[in-house]
Amino acid sequence: TQLLEQSPQFLSIQEGENLTVYCNSSSVFSSLQWYRQEPGEGPVLLVTVVTGGEVKKLKRLTFQFGDARKDSSLHITAAQPGDTGLYLCAGWQGGSEKLVFGKGMKLTVNP
Amino acid sequence: DVKVTQSSRYLVKRTGEKVFLECVQDMDHENMFWYRQDPGLGLRLIYFSYDVKMKEKGDIPEGYSVSREKKERFSLILESASTNQTSMYLCASSFGTMNTEAFFGQGTRLTVV
Repeated sequence: TQLLEQSPQFLSIQEGENLTVYCNSSSVFSSLQWYRQEPGEGPVLLVTVVTGGEVKKLKRLTFQFGDARKDSSLHITAAQPGDTGLYLCAGWQGGSEKLVFGKGMKLTVNP
Repeated sequence: DVKVTQSSRYLVKRTGEKVFLECVQDMDHENMFWYRQDPGLGLRLIYFSYDVKMKEKGDIPEGYSVSREKKERFSLILESASTNQTSMYLCASSFGTMNTEAFFGQGTRLTVV
């Protein structure tokens, strides 16, 4: 059973389009994180959201943490080919030192 | 910059061999992790360590063991490699837990034939 469910798992869009990817759980997390992974590389942290209802912006990327701290979303505005990659949500399991990941969303942005 | 270095980018091993995957971090992080990444399954935690000589099982520890004799080094051991252990293995480290950033190595693509 996957603790963090991501949707969609695959997305292929044209340059300039907007998109949203979701990360959902039945468990409460103290924080959720979003990582981006390019082929042949390890994941790299984009953002950590900590407070329920929090919204963070990173240029064209907007991250939101649900009020109940069970879900998060990543919205990309005007996607560019450089945004192509695997987007992973992750959360630290309460009461342990385990960092668990969703399955990821593979994004392809076509010129 | 934090650097997490995995000893090999690519490995090919035979079924039944004992395989060692090495990971070194240079930022004095307490926590280190081993994941495997498979298409459609995402990153799954194999083992993690929160201190020297301390280890905890992750979600899929069967067929694996780990060693952490020094703070900077965390080794993943496949006692008897099998073809279903063919995968991408990722090592990570973090200064703490609960909201801290995990830093990853570039991964080791292991093929067991």
